[in-house]
Amino acid sequence: NAGVTQTPKFRILKIGQSMTLQCAQDMNHNYMYWYRQDPGMGLKLIYYSVGAGITDKGEVPNGYNVSRSTTEDFPLRLELAAPSQTSVYFCASSYSQGNGSPLHFGNGTRLTVT
Amino acid sequence: TQLLEQSPQFLSIQEGENLTVYCNSSSVFSSLQWYRQEPGEGPVLLVTVVTGGEVKKLKRLTFQFGDARKDSSLHITAAQPGDTGLYLCAGEYAGGTSYGKLTFGQGTILTVHP
Repeated sequence: NAGVTQTPKFRILKIGQSMTLQCAQDMNHNYMYWYRQDPGMGLKLIYYSVGAGITDKGEVPNGYNVSRSTTEDFPLRLELAAPSQTSVYFCASSYSQGNGSPLHFGNGTRLTVT
Repeated sequence: TQLLEQSPQFLSIQEGENLTVYCNSSSVFSSLQWYRQEPGEGPVLLVTVVTGGEVKKLKRLTFQFGDARKDSSLHITAAQPGDTGLYLCAGEYAGGTSYGKLTFGQGTILTVHP
């Protein structure tokens, strides 16, 4: 059982380039999330999805886009990369939302924008 | 934006010592989760607390939820080098537009020296 799989693990981008961070889960979870983690800042929610075809903004959505065409996949798109987007990105999924439902995280993508 | 204050940010202790990590907010949680994260990996759930005053034990780890459900603590007894990692609290606020979405604390980096 793979859980949540993120690719790539590492990436270096030049300012202005674009890329897609991939996320897939095999637990048939409806809820999926993208977080970024910066030192001393915990995890900040970028976007989330409550099911295929439905996405919504989180706390820090600017500069990012998402899509959810299937239950399994939730890619995060960076357009016009900026140094402020240097971070570690985590994708997560959960069975439900609310009621203390736990998040299952991938192992992250470390992105550097120079 | 609701804030979840976690302290201390860093802890460096010797093997065998006890420690406590705190998580505080001015708002009421419907539930609170504690995660542990190791380098290069995503956070992994340790425990969920949902009832005011609740105490949960996981081997040498004791988790407490405040009576008013605004704070929580993690106490580790006789810390071991294997406890080294980043500890994150994450709260699910009761009611309003934040329902069902987790807010993370800044994290506590724990280092246990042999």
